[in-house]
Amino acid sequence: QVQLQQSGAELVKPGSSVKISCKASGYTFTSYDMHWIKQQPGNGLEWIGWIYPGNGNTKYNQKFNGKATLTADKSSSTAYMQLSSLTSEDSAVYFCARWILQWDYFDYWGQGVMVTVSS
Amino acid sequence: DIQMTQTPSSMPASLGERVTISCRASQGISNYLNWYQQKPDGTIKPLIYYTSNLQSGVPSRFSGSGSGTDYSLTISSLEPEDFAMYYCQQYDSSPLTFGSGTKLEIK
Repeated sequence: QVQLQQSGAELVKPGSSVKISCKASGYTFTSYDMHWIKQQPGNGLEWIGWIYPGNGNTKYNQKFNGKATLTADKSSSTAYMQLSSLTSEDSAVYFCARWILQWDYFDYWGQGVMVTVSS
Repeated sequence: DIQMTQTPSSMPASLGERVTISCRASQGISNYLNWYQQKPDGTIKPLIYYTSNLQSGVPSRFSGSGSGTDYSLTISSLEPEDFAMYYCQQYDSSPLTFGSGTKLEIK
């Protein structure tokens, strides 16, 4: 069965960077776009961007250009998102989600990673 | 960016009740509209894709409809497990955008 297992919660200092992971299993990792979505406490969902692990192509929400960097490791079927120059506005839960191109929706989601930016 | 306005933001409802959640796009999105459910533990799952197609395994009491800028999610008879957050999401154009969510609460 398809699973997206995300890394654990992070407590990081302002100005630093953090890299969170999303390990995929149960399907061919290189054949599906992996997206990342942000959810701030009490807020809705905000799309960050996607990566196609097959060739490393990426597309970002312009709002997250320079903030988020998406990568993927085919050998371990793991997608990564690095967030840089962290501020309190980056404190949120971050989800990875698989996009099924045939029907155009997020069919599987990770459990989310809480990132807290605090000194 | 396409803005998605979801109403109501919260909805108290009773078991067995029929409820409808609305989602309005700031411009026409050609039925490119999905619905998701988020449980209190944070788990998110898809319910409806391309306006009205039921995700495999989702109970038939869920249905979606709409066109142009106006879309809706209907639950025909509320079950205990339906009390959760619901989000619409458009994919007509980038960036993908979500509605602000509707919290379905027990009355």
